[in-house]
Amino acid sequence: SAVISQKPSRDICQRGTSLTIQCQVDSQVTMMFWYRQQPGQSLTLIATANQGSEATYESGFVIDKFPISRPNLTFSTLTVSNMSPEDSSIYLCSVEGQGVGIPLGTQYFGPGTRLLVL
Amino acid sequence: QQQVKQSPQSLIVQKGGIPIINCAYENTAFDYFPWYQQFPGKGPALLIAIRPDVSEKKEGRFTISFNKSAKQFSLHIMDSQPGDSATYFCAAARETSGSRLTFGEGTQLTVNP
Repeated sequence: SAVISQKPSRDICQRGTSLTIQCQVDSQVTMMFWYRQQPGQSLTLIATANQGSEATYESGFVIDKFPISRPNLTFSTLTVSNMSPEDSSIYLCSVEGQGVGIPLGTQYFGPGTRLLVL
Repeated sequence: QQQVKQSPQSLIVQKGGIPIINCAYENTAFDYFPWYQQFPGKGPALLIAIRPDVSEKKEGRFTISFNKSAKQFSLHIMDSQPGDSATYFCAAARETSGSRLTFGEGTQLTVNP
């Protein structure tokens, strides 16, 4: 399985500011995903980030609000821009598992970044 | 539009009981159905997954039952333990869409000693 770390683990931010969340994987992966999970709620996919191409955003999410970088096969960032209290949530990155014995479609999740916007 | 509906929202069982969590999906193009387990403060972890070509899959104490005609699938936890207390999410994806997961609403399971 892939080991995923995220930074920061949590943050408290003022409205109108931006926060960049980092996701680091211990192996090279093709597909990375960013999700949002509001407290006590389910996970919603924000975007898919593949190295060397523009991120693909889901309905309701736009690049200006959530710009994503994917500079190499082990790293990605998600920026939450011009934050408002409604952006308070847990942001998780995940990667699609690759390798011998790993079933197709398997995803591994990072521990999440807990964001509170005041 | 909620494409994967999960029930119940919460579930309390005694140790040794068999909690059952149900999910229903709408999109017949879905062809991959995983279950994730999430503990507080952690990211979700893949528990077990099934594809529509089988009706049941077992891994240890966890079993998925799949009913393609009804577009439903469920998770059974045999001999449940207090350590199984967590939130469980079902999900669905189309492998041709690059494994973009659509999650159910989640079920908070409590297993009492």
